Amino acid sequence: TQLLEQSPQFLSIQEGENLTVYCNSSSVFSSLQWYRQEPGEGPVLLVTVVTGGEVKKLKRLTFQFGDARKDSSLHITAAQPGDTGLYLCAGPSDSGYALNFGKGTSLLVTP
Amino acid sequence: DAGVTQSPTHLIKTRGQHVTLRCSPISGHKSVSWYQQVLGQGPQFIFQYYEKEERGRGNFPDRFSARQFPNYSSELNVNALLLGDSALYLCASSFRPGQGAYEQYFGPGTRLTVT
Repeated sequence: TQLLEQSPQFLSIQEGENLTVYCNSSSVFSSLQWYRQEPGEGPVLLVTVVTGGEVKKLKRLTFQFGDARKDSSLHITAAQPGDTGLYLCAGPSDSGYALNFGKGTSLLVTP
Repeated sequence: DAGVTQSPTHLIKTRGQHVTLRCSPISGHKSVSWYQQVLGQGPQFIFQYYEKEERGRGNFPDRFSARQFPNYSSELNVNALLLGDSALYLCASSFRPGQGAYEQYFGPGTRLTVT
């Protein structure tokens, strides 16, 4: 099983601050995905990164895939209360049919 | 277009009972996957179905079973419920199963509580 470790586990910041969360593995992934999940809801796909070193931007969110395709980071600029949620990274299993998820980073942004 | 729908939203069962959860994929999507998410954890893969056939199975006991219907909707069945089966059960649909960066879209989940 390809394990994904996410850090930090919890993060509480004030509106307007910047933050970075991390997703690390000892295994190489063909791609990684980032999801945001709000309480009582299913995960919503934010981005898929495929190429080592790739950087993708989604408004105030910047996603980076490590050169060796073993890690990824998510940077949020000027966080807003609407960014509150559980951020999950996921990568395809060896078979390709399943997604392996990390435990997530729970982010709370207070006004 | 409607997203992935799941029913029921919430369910309370007693130990030893069985439960059936239902999922309708996004129109045009032919693959359905089921995940279990225990509080404080990321989702764990249970099954994937494509064209009514099981394509993948996670590390879950035989008490868990599923099937996919000709209209691509799916059911997840859990027998002899245990307290540890309490979780959010998520259904995800994709156009097809595949290797690598195929995208899955999740439903809102069914919250199962076993007492």
